[in-house]
Amino acid sequence: AQTVTQSQPEMSVQEAETVTLSCTYDTSESDYYLFWYKQPPSRQMILVIRQEAYKQQNATENRFSVNFQKAAKSFSLKISDSQLGDAAMYFCAYRSAGNQFYFGTGTSLTVIP
Amino acid sequence: GAVVSQHPSRVICKSGTSVKIECRSLDFQATTMFWYRQFPKQSLMLMATSNEGSKATYEQGVEKDKFLINHASLTLSTLTVTSAHPEDSSFYICSARDQGRAVGELFFGEGSRLTVL
Repeated sequence: AQTVTQSQPEMSVQEAETVTLSCTYDTSESDYYLFWYKQPPSRQMILVIRQEAYKQQNATENRFSVNFQKAAKSFSLKISDSQLGDAAMYFCAYRSAGNQFYFGTGTSLTVIP
Repeated sequence: GAVVSQHPSRVICKSGTSVKIECRSLDFQATTMFWYRQFPKQSLMLMATSNEGSKATYEQGVEKDKFLINHASLTLSTLTVTSAHPEDSSFYICSARDQGRAVGELFFGEGSRLTVL
């Protein structure tokens, strides 16, 4: 089975600064999808960004971007110009070709005013 | 964007009673929905995959007789916690995949916090 590893249980960033959350995964598949989800204190999971494995270009959504390194099986999330509302748990997720989803253990992000 | 609604958001019940949680896809059809359980400060644990018109697929270690799942239509799945006990207290989250989207990301409900007294 695929595994998703988030090695940073907690991270903090100063408001307006940039932070990078790391995620690695293990798979033998060549066709898959990767996601970052955010879970704020309200507890609803919100999709932040997605990446198709067959695309070499890194996905970008406003202040959020990823560094997708397929060979290294790495999928980090960069948050630029951090805002107080970015404080949340962030989960990295892998979707296999067979539509199975696997989640990392999460990184708790604190934004310091 | 796709919306998944979950109800109720909070429920408190007495030990031994049953509780039903509903999960609806509001603007798309979902042949498959997923039920997760989340403990404080932990990741999501997949409990079962709910399949429209057929039996749910349960993950190893999840009691199918305790956690009854029904997926009666393309927009509704229900999770019933039967004879609930305090150890069943948890945050339950449903999700669905919008198959109309190429990437097929999961959309999540708001979650339901169950407290069993």
